Amino acid sequence: AQKVTQAQTEISVVEKEDVTLDCVYETRDTTYYLFWYKQPPSGELVFLIRRNSFDEQNEISGRYSWNFQKSTSSFNFTITASQVVDSAVYFCALIMNRDDKIIFGKGTRLHILP
Amino acid sequence: SQTIHQWPATLVQPVGSPLSLECTVEGTSNPNLYWYRQAAGRGLQLLFYSVGIGQISSEVPQNLSASRPQDRQFILSSKKLLLSDSGFYLCAWSALAGSETQYFGPGTRLLVL
Repeated sequence: AQKVTQAQTEISVVEKEDVTLDCVYETRDTTYYLFWYKQPPSGELVFLIRRNSFDEQNEISGRYSWNFQKSTSSFNFTITASQVVDSAVYFCALIMNRDDKIIFGKGTRLHILP
Repeated sequence: SQTIHQWPATLVQPVGSPLSLECTVEGTSNPNLYWYRQAAGRGLQLLFYSVGIGQISSEVPQNLSASRPQDRQFILSSKKLLLSDSGFYLCAWSALAGSETQYFGPGTRLLVL
């Protein structure tokens, strides 16, 4: 069965600190896709990144970076020099090849303290 | 570019009243459409999804129903609301190709009293 685990329910860090959000997934498929979404207080889910299972190259986008490691079935998300605007709930998600339904983790609530 | 709309943004309804939430997508054709519910402080629960007009898949048995009368319109309904129907309802769309990224609307906050 497919599953996404975000073990960190809630994290608080002081502004400008780096923070890593963990995501561990389970699947027997060899072709799949991983996502991260951000849900700010307004509620709308904002798409951040999509990776396919054949591309383990880490990705950096500004202060955001993602570390995909198939050996440990992890797709961790790091925010460097965090800002108050980064406060949100972050969801990791998984979808199988040719499937229509995304499997979401339960989310990690991130508080960035000024 | 594609945009997704939901209305109303907020809704307060008495128990036993009907419900109709609407979602429309612009800028794409033949999308997959999804309804999710998020209870306060909790994760996302997929309620329904549709791969075409009139085609609805239900994920969770409940007193809610969904319809897709047009290609880019998805409606969530109930004949009689329950207290447990309170929550944040999100509509999403993806390209009709499988394994595609889902893009979400702004959501509707429903409070049933």
